[in-house]
Amino acid sequence: TQLLEQSPQFLSIQEGENLTVYCNSSSVFSSLQWYRQEPGEGPVLLVTVVTGGEVKKLKRLTFQFGDARKDSSLHITAAQPGDTGLYLCAGGNTGNQFYFGTGTSLTVIP
Amino acid sequence: GAVVSQHPSWVICKSGTSVKIECRSLDFQATTMFWYRQFPKQSLMLMATSNEGSKATYEQGVEKDKFLINHASLTLSTLTVTSAHPEDSSFYICSAPRPGDRQETQYFGPGTRLLVL
Repeated sequence: TQLLEQSPQFLSIQEGENLTVYCNSSSVFSSLQWYRQEPGEGPVLLVTVVTGGEVKKLKRLTFQFGDARKDSSLHITAAQPGDTGLYLCAGGNTGNQFYFGTGTSLTVIP
Repeated sequence: GAVVSQHPSWVICKSGTSVKIECRSLDFQATTMFWYRQFPKQSLMLMATSNEGSKATYEQGVEKDKFLINHASLTLSTLTVTSAHPEDSSFYICSAPRPGDRQETQYFGPGTRLLVL
């Protein structure tokens, strides 16, 4: 099992604030994905990054893959209540197996 | 987009009984499917890789005889929780990569919530 640690584990912020979630591992991954999950549902893919140093933007969300492909970050600008959810990073290897991070539960207060 | 379904979405059973959960890829063939379990407010833990036509590969610490996996066709994998106990209560999710997709995309089912009384 390849361990991915996310920080923070819980985050509660006011609407309009910015935040960053970190995903760190000692293992190198061929790709890294970020998901958001609502209670009682399966996770929904937000982005996949595959190149070390890669930065991807999805509206107010910015994703970065570390140069060594061991870590990643998710930055949300001007958070909205609709951003509330469990954010999960997942590292993939060449066997298409994905190992999920420990998760970050985000609550955005209106 | 690709669709993966799970059945049932909810199951309640008595301790000691066995429960079967199905995972189907509805619009693509999946030679590989993955099974995860998730406890409340925790992340997904990979349990096993289901391989069509061969034995499943289990992650360390997951009991093979407890969680039986059968991948008998290219669109169906089943997870059977044998002699279920209350500690097996969890949210079980399957996923499958679609052949030909770039960047190792995998598609998740909606999950099955198991409650063992």
